[in-house]
Amino acid sequence: DIVMTQSPDFLAVSLGERATINCKSSQSVSHNLAWYQQKPGQPPKLLIYWASTREFGVPDRFSGSGSGTDFTLTISSLQAEDVAIYYCQQYTSDPPWTFGQGTKVEIK
Amino acid sequence: EVQLVESGGALVQPGGSLRLSCAASRLIFSGYWMSWVRQAPGRGPEWVANIKQDGAEKHYVGSVKGRFTISRDNAKNSLYLQMDSLRVEDTAVYYCTRERSRALDYWGQGTLVTVSS
Repeated sequence: DIVMTQSPDFLAVSLGERATINCKSSQSVSHNLAWYQQKPGQPPKLLIYWASTREFGVPDRFSGSGSGTDFTLTISSLQAEDVAIYYCQQYTSDPPWTFGQGTKVEIK
Repeated sequence: EVQLVESGGALVQPGGSLRLSCAASRLIFSGYWMSWVRQAPGRGPEWVANIKQDGAEKHYVGSVKGRFTISRDNAKNSLYLQMDSLRVEDTAVYYCTRERSRALDYWGQGTLVTVSS
């Protein structure tokens, strides 16, 4: 199975500042990568798919980049409502799909 | 609005069985692959299984192969997960999700399965 590794595990950023989360896959997943946001007591919410396509309704401060084995989720200007855990997930042609371990984002 | 509602979670002893259900409303259920994803307490999500629109193709994560069976009834807009030979490590919230181009675009609120003696 493909292993997804996120860094860092925890990130504290001041309001209005940039937050950057990295995700690395153990083998190439091309552009088959999604990012999810999970707040306490809620299911994950799809933010980005195909590595860089923003889901409908997701604020444009969220952006994704990368391909192959290295990916990045950027929150350009952190808002209070962005406090959450963020997960990357690969979905190459053959299951199983796998998730990263998560990055917890908090306000500094 | 798309809605997915899971049910069937419970406390069960190791070695026991459980059947989870997911009811889809206002959703073109039959036109999409569907997945089950689970999340153990304090852990990240883990994809469990998925099923093609017509039910003809199914995939499972290795740890549940031979124990779990995914199925669907398009006439009832429903997804199921039959879980047999349950283990303590199967304890988790189980989510029903819709796949769109393989990303998981809609999630239910989840149902809790606890495997404990």
